[in-house]
Amino acid sequence: QSALTQPASVSGSPGQSITISCTGITSDVGGYNFVSWYQQHPGKAPKLLIYEVSDRPSGVSNRFSGSKLGNTASLTISGLQAEDEADYYCSLYTSRINVIFGGGTKLTVL
Amino acid sequence: EVQLLDSGGGLVQPGGSLRLSCAVSGFTFSSYAMSWVRQTPGKGLEWVSSISGAGGTRDYADFVRGRFTVSRDNSKNTLYLQMNSLRAEDTALYYCAKAPRGVHVTFDYWGQGTLVTVSS
Repeated sequence: QSALTQPASVSGSPGQSITISCTGITSDVGGYNFVSWYQQHPGKAPKLLIYEVSDRPSGVSNRFSGSKLGNTASLTISGLQAEDEADYYCSLYTSRINVIFGGGTKLTVL
Repeated sequence: EVQLLDSGGGLVQPGGSLRLSCAVSGFTFSSYAMSWVRQTPGKGLEWVSSISGAGGTRDYADFVRGRFTVSRDNSKNTLYLQMNSLRAEDTALYYCAKAPRGVHVTFDYWGQGTLVTVSS
């Protein structure tokens, strides 16, 4: 069973930028990269931040950006704000494995 | 406005059954794949099952295959998850989630979750 590895926690001060990594990414047939990132505040449902590695749904702040290099995807949050304190999850879809999630990263805004 | 309303969770004994429902509004239900994703404190998020817009394609995680059945009623805009032979390790918060297209490559809207507790 494939696995996605994320750091358990990251932290940053307001205004700073942080990056959360997600290792174990593989491409789907045809070279498609269905990597997504979700934000989850305590007691709330996950919210989609990034899909297909780097695309943002409408309404998501451009402070959130995604990238991929080799088998590692990354979520970068720039201009950290107190409201960004949450758990962040990466996910991967391929036609072979369906969907797997990373273990989640707790972001603390100092 | 897209809305997903999960329901049907509760306390059930090991070996028992439960049916979850997810009533949706705000989009053309039959055009999108739908999924169930669960969350536990210990294991985080886990994809459980997905079904295509017309219902002809269903996928399951290995740990529920043969025990859970996903279905949908497009005339009622409702998604279901029939859970049989429940185990303690199925205890989790279950979310229904919508895909932005016909395949569940990502989840753009989520329900609020319904809690399933399997315990004697």
